[in-house]
Amino acid sequence: RKEVEQDPGPFNVPEGATVAFNCTYSNSASQSFFWYRQDCRKEPKLLMSVYSSGNEDGRFTAQLNRASQYISLLIRDSKLSDSATYLCVVRALGGGSQGNLIFGKGTKLSVKP
Amino acid sequence: GAGVSQSPSNKVTEKGKDVELRCDPISGHTALYWYRQSLGQGLEFLIYFQGNSAPDKSGLPSDRFSAERTGGSVSTLTIQRTQQEDSAVYLCASSLFWDQPQHFGDGTRLSIL
Repeated sequence: RKEVEQDPGPFNVPEGATVAFNCTYSNSASQSFFWYRQDCRKEPKLLMSVYSSGNEDGRFTAQLNRASQYISLLIRDSKLSDSATYLCVVRALGGGSQGNLIFGKGTKLSVKP
Repeated sequence: GAGVSQSPSNKVTEKGKDVELRCDPISGHTALYWYRQSLGQGLEFLIYFQGNSAPDKSGLPSDRFSAERTGGSVSTLTIQRTQQEDSAVYLCASSLFWDQPQHFGDGTRLSIL
C-alpha cells in the first residue's frame, strides 16, 4: 500500500462548484498533515495545514479523520484560479526523518468558465 | 526576502556524465531537503539535512546520488554516471526547523539524453 494515496482525477468542474478531494495515509503514527498546491511546471506551495478539529481558510476546508487515516479538502465556490494539482502531504516520523514530507501524487483540478 | 534559490534551472546532459545541482536555502533555515519529481509522479524524498546532524539519506535511490551541505547553508546534490531514469525535476526546500513549513525552490529540470 502506498504511503499517501489520492484520486488522481482530473476533476473538471464549472466555476462556482464545490469540489472535494480525498486522501488516505498508511502510517497511523503520522502527526502532521498538509495540503499543497502545485501549478503546472511550478514548485509546490503550502495551501493549508490540516488539524484534527478541522480547519477552514476562506473557501477551503480541510478535515482529518485519524481513525480512518483519511484527509479531505473541500473547495467552495471554485474559481478559475483554483485550477492546479492538489497534493496531500504527510510528515514522516522517527529518527532523522522527522522533517521530511511524504507526498501523494496529487489530484488535478480544472475549473472551467 | 529571498526565497530558496536553485541552479541551474535546466540541465541537459548525456548519459554517463556527472551533474551537480545547487540549492541556496532561505537564510537562517536549519533544515534543508531534496526531493525529485518525475513526470506524472508525486514528489519523492531524497535527503534531509538538519543543522549539523548527520543527514538522513534514506531516500537516495542509489549510491550514484550524494549530497553535501557546507557550513549549514548551501547544498549540492551530485549524481554520478547519470542514467535516463534520473531525468526529473529536482526540488530543494528549506524550513526554519524540522517541524516548520517547507519553502520550495523553483527546481532544476534535469534531462538525460
